[in-house]
Amino acid sequence: GAGVSQSPSNKVTEKGKDVELRCDPISGHTALYWYRQSLGQGLEFLIYFQGNSAPDKSGLPSDRFSAERTGGSVSTLTIQRTQQEDSAVYLCASSPRQGGYGYTFGSGTRLTVV
Amino acid sequence: AQKITQTQPGMFVQEKEAVTLDCTYDTSDPSYGLFWYKQPSSGEMIFLIYQGSYDQQNATEGRYSLNFQKARKSANLVISASQLGDSAMYFCAMRELPDSNYQLIWGAGTKLIIKP
Repeated sequence: GAGVSQSPSNKVTEKGKDVELRCDPISGHTALYWYRQSLGQGLEFLIYFQGNSAPDKSGLPSDRFSAERTGGSVSTLTIQRTQQEDSAVYLCASSPRQGGYGYTFGSGTRLTVV
Repeated sequence: AQKITQTQPGMFVQEKEAVTLDCTYDTSDPSYGLFWYKQPSSGEMIFLIYQGSYDQQNATEGRYSLNFQKARKSANLVISASQLGDSAMYFCAMRELPDSNYQLIWGAGTKLIIKP
């Protein structure tokens, strides 16, 4: 696609439920990143994919968080048993190559856990 | 320790004036890249400008320029002739090279409001 697409744009969920956030990167971008942005804060790195593999998952805050990428394209970030502290904007970015500075971000998914 | 520091949580600037947003960074790596992003209320992160640590000249992109002072470890963003549409959050970020260091390290941001 022309840009990085994220869905849903907004998600309100009850505490304890599971949620899935989707990222569709720019076609041909091999690198994909997930970041989390809490209110009034900068971005917190979560996970990075190069193709379908995730060489670094160290930013995932707990084992309730997982992510996968299939076909070197779409990625899904899953949060199980959501907690109120998971409320944030989840941003996805892609770039043409590993570490390439041409990062393009999506508009994010605003997650609210009530 | 903070790797990226943006000391101005908020700024008000009159339309058409120039504005400087401060960013200082901390790294021991001689090879790094510095980025500025704009985040309007829509939430999307928009890439503005990039400066490599070995670049001889300050980066410029239209109305945006980067005042890169390597010895001081500062990379301030200068917006000339500000416009109402410049109102947004602005983030400074750093990536330590080589390419295997893929993370961007972010500052806390500066909220810029342009007054008509």
